[in-house]
Amino acid sequence: GAVVSQHPSWVICKSGTSVKIECRSLDFQATTMFWYRQFPKQSLMLMATSNEGSKATYEQGVEKDKFLINHASLTLSTLTVTSAHPEDSSFYICSATSGGSTDTQYFGPGTRLTVL
Amino acid sequence: QKEVEQNSGPLSVPEGAIASLNCTYSDRGSQSFFWYRQYSGKSPELIMSIYSNGDKEDGRFTAQLNKASQYVSLLIRDSQPSDSATYLCAVNPQAGTALIFGKGTTLSVSS
Repeated sequence: GAVVSQHPSWVICKSGTSVKIECRSLDFQATTMFWYRQFPKQSLMLMATSNEGSKATYEQGVEKDKFLINHASLTLSTLTVTSAHPEDSSFYICSATSGGSTDTQYFGPGTRLTVL
Repeated sequence: QKEVEQNSGPLSVPEGAIASLNCTYSDRGSQSFFWYRQYSGKSPELIMSIYSNGDKEDGRFTAQLNKASQYVSLLIRDSQPSDSATYLCAVNPQAGTALIFGKGTTLSVSS
């Protein structure tokens, strides 16, 4: 199947700093990428949908000025958590799809963010 | 509100048995259906996709789709302890949009 990578796999930062997470589709062109957040023992929560060259569409309740998403190419999307706080500590996962009628989404391995 | 419902479990089966996971969805127009497996602390991994009514088999896994009943299931034959995970049912209501996920069913296979 298609491969999606994320970097870094884990990060620890101080409160108030910004953290950038990269999501790359390695062997296909991703027309759409999605960013999810998952707290321990909870379901995946969709944060935003990102189409290459367009502004991301954020889900209700997700602050677009805090979670900056850039999808500059068909293989790369980035999520920047600005002025991170301890409550932003979570597992951030991206997924990517090449589009088409089947629209299979492939997930990256996730990034575990811990804000001290 | 488009929804995907799954029994949260836990579903416990002995090693070698058949595990049956079920899912219903609300959007009758949905066309693509997926099962993902998620181990604790890891991201979801695609197991099966199914698009037309009937059965689709891949190794020990069989996905079943019944669009009239808005029902998707996953059968795992010869269950192994390594199959112990949370299984997520996902439905794509429209091309280009995000999948709608169920909350997942936790499967525990005892040796």
